[in-house]
Amino acid sequence: AQKVTQAQTEISVVEKEDVTLDCVYETRDTTYYLFWYKQPPSGELVFLIRRNSFDEQNEISGRYSWNFQKSTSSFNFTITASQVVDSAVYFCALTSIIQGAQKLVFGQGTRLTINP
Amino acid sequence: DAGVTQSPTHLIKTRGQQVTLRCSPKSGHDTVSWYQQALGQGPQFIFQYYEEEERQRGNFPDRFSGHQFPNYSSELNVNALLLGDSALYLCASSYGATDTQYFGPGTRLTVL
Repeated sequence: AQKVTQAQTEISVVEKEDVTLDCVYETRDTTYYLFWYKQPPSGELVFLIRRNSFDEQNEISGRYSWNFQKSTSSFNFTITASQVVDSAVYFCALTSIIQGAQKLVFGQGTRLTINP
Repeated sequence: DAGVTQSPTHLIKTRGQQVTLRCSPKSGHDTVSWYQQALGQGPQFIFQYYEEEERQRGNFPDRFSGHQFPNYSSELNVNALLLGDSALYLCASSYGATDTQYFGPGTRLTVL
């Protein structure tokens, strides 16, 4: 069975600090995909990134960066120079393609609060 | 470009009743997936519909059923509601069953 663990339940930092959200996953599949989603108070899950298991290159998008390490089964997310608008619950998710379909397996989420 | 839309926004039902939730996928998408998110938890997969068929199902009882229409919109039906069914129900759409899923704003269901 697939599993995603986000050990940090809540993180609180002051604006402009850097913050890293941890994600550890378990899967027996050799081909899989990892995701990060952001859930603001409105409730809608906002897609941030998708990574396949064969692409271990780190990715940077503005203040966001992702570190994928297969050796440790981790897919961590860093926000540089955090802003109040980054406050949200962040979910890491994992999926494999089974019989032409996919289901996302989510972690419990990390509630990030950025204080002014 | 319209995103994923869901209706209603909020719903209050009593135990034993039945409920229908609706979802319209993002423009150009043909696949719909449904998730249940209890308070303080991550979303749990219910099922995925592609080409009007249920393609994969999570660990939910038969009280949860769905349908996809020729225009790709979808309904989630829950029968014999239990207090534990109170949750945020999220719909996600994708282009094909294996592409990235984009989520709607959800329907908040409260069962009294």
